[in-house]
Order: sequence, then structure tokens, then C-alpha cells
Amino acid sequence: KNQVEQSPQSLIILEGKNCTLQCNYTVSPFSNLRWYKQDTGRGPVSLTIMTFSENTKSNGRYTATLDADTKQSSLHITASQLSDSASYICVVATTSGTYKYIFGTGTRLKVLA
Amino acid sequence: DTEVTQTPKHLVMGMTNKKSLKCEQHMGHRAMYWYKQKAKKPPELMFVYSYEKLSINESVPSRFSPECPNSSLLNLHLHALQPEDSALYLCASSQGLRGKGNIQYFGAGTRLSVL
Repeated sequence: KNQVEQSPQSLIILEGKNCTLQCNYTVSPFSNLRWYKQDTGRGPVSLTIMTFSENTKSNGRYTATLDADTKQSSLHITASQLSDSASYICVVATTSGTYKYIFGTGTRLKVLA
Repeated sequence: DTEVTQTPKHLVMGMTNKKSLKCEQHMGHRAMYWYKQKAKKPPELMFVYSYEKLSINESVPSRFSPECPNSSLLNLHLHALQPEDSALYLCASSQGLRGKGNIQYFGAGTRLSVL
């Protein structure tokens, strides 16, 4: 069964600190993996997209890694800011049958001053 | 312009009402999507349109009826909804359906409450 699991479910950190969010997937065949940021009551915004051959992708203070062998990805946030408070969703695209996006359950991050 | 515009932002309707959600993009994208999102849950795919034709229907009840009048517009017609249909409805668009280059751009959503 195609699944995307994220951990932790929620996280609270102090402003300025770093954090790492995890994503494990059992999606096959794999096409690409995306990380989205979703502010409360808003639509998700794409942060990074990685294919099978890409190990790391950065977008400002966000750095995503992908290990296609272990089917794991991480999103590292450096020097967190209050505006980083949001849900972070890992999405894996698969070409099984029709092209589909499998959404993870998300990690809710709260950054405190 | 990388914006997907959804209207209305909020909608309250009774179970006997008929209403429509609208979504518009002017990025020249040929794939458009409807998602439903309950609180603290990830978005769930409802429908996908590709080149104005319905490509995917994720076994959505017939009380939800999508329509794609042209390549820039996507509607979701609502009729005889149930209270459990209350959720955030998200529209997204992408250049095409497949591949890394097809970034999905999401609208801000319509917050729907069914009384």
C-alpha cells in the first residue's frame, strides 16, 4: 500500500534554533518527492521537489534530503523564525496507474519567541 | 503571476442549498485539481482535470459536481451536502500532470460549513 508517514506529528522550538522533520514512504513506483509548507487556513506552498537521483535540495533556510534506497527524506530548517510556524507536508508522486500524489499527514511546527 | 484564486473564502450553506466554489488561474496551466482538507489532516484528492477533461474522480459522492468551463476556470458545484462535508476545499493547478517540473500551485481555499 502506498503510504507516506511523517514524524514528529508536532514540534515546538525556540526562535533561532534548527530542526529536522522526517518523512518515510512506501510508494512505488517513485517519481518525485515534494515538501510543502502550509500556513493555517491557507493552501500549501511548494518548498522543494526531488527526483530519484537528487540527494539534497535547498530553498533558503530549508534543506531537503532524499535517500531513495531507504525511502526516507528529511527537511532541515536552519535558524528558525516565527514565520516558520506552519504544517510541513511531505508528498510523494507515483506513476502507479494514473499519476498520483500521496500526501503525508504533516508535521505541525510551532516556533516560539 | 503564480496565483490561484478561489472564491468565496468562506461559505456557510444548509443541507438543501445549491452553491458553487470557483477557482481561477492565469498561468496557462492545463491541469487543475480539487482537494478536500479536514482540520489537522492532509489534503485529499477529489478531482483532476487535464486539458479541460475530467481525468481522475476519486470516488467522490455525486453531491459534488466539478466543471471546467475553460482552461483557466474550475468550478465545484455543491448540492444536498452533509455536515461532514464541512472542510477547507483547495484548488490547485500545474503545468501538466506528470513529472518533477509540474509544481502544484494551491489557492488559499474555501472554508465550507454545512449546517
